[in-house]
Amino acid sequence: DTAVSQTPKYLVTQMGNDKSIKCEQNLGHDTMYWYKQDSKKFLKIMFSYNNKELIINETVPNRFSPKSPDKAHLNLHINSLELGDSAVYFCASSRLLRGTNEKLFFGSGTQLSVL
Amino acid sequence: AQSVAQPEDQVNVAEGNPLTVKCTYSVSGNPYLFWYVQYPNRGLQFLLKYITGDNLVKGSYGFEAEFNKSQTSFHLKKPSALVSDSALYFCAVRETGNQGGKLIFGQGTELSVKP
Repeated sequence: DTAVSQTPKYLVTQMGNDKSIKCEQNLGHDTMYWYKQDSKKFLKIMFSYNNKELIINETVPNRFSPKSPDKAHLNLHINSLELGDSAVYFCASSRLLRGTNEKLFFGSGTQLSVL
Repeated sequence: AQSVAQPEDQVNVAEGNPLTVKCTYSVSGNPYLFWYVQYPNRGLQFLLKYITGDNLVKGSYGFEAEFNKSQTSFHLKKPSALVSDSALYFCAVRETGNQGGKLIFGQGTELSVKP
């Protein structure tokens, strides 16, 4: 069973389109995250949700809107896609929000290519 | 603010030789340090963590890491490298306080193990 699953694995789209990436975890974790990995493999957090509540919102353009219908799901909707949005987006989860020794479980990533 | 640095973009090792992947950190307060590995087209996988206690931490796949407070380092090591260890390795530090839960990643080090 896949612990953190995200779909689609690949997403190719035109500039200006709106797209969504879905993420689900079956670990019973309270906290979920979205990370962005750029072409140089640098990983940066975008958002964090704890029990459907937004906790961390880094300086991400408001074209990016996370949605958490329940604590097992955290979807990422992106409006008006731009070339610079091309990256690999990773969903992750952890058991607790402020457990400093908690490890993160990552999905396998969604490679977004904006043409 | 917490940060980690990985001074080497790439490390090349011959199979059977010991390997070291370097990481230095900058934190205020106690450091909560992690190593993750990313295989091609996969999400990150947890390797090991340092929270407190012994300076030598043992993790998955025969990896270990040495915490050195005076040098603010947390280098990843393995006594005998395998070709299958070839991957991208990330050092990370956990934010504390209100941003608890956020992992700050280093820029990654590509490990290449040749037969």
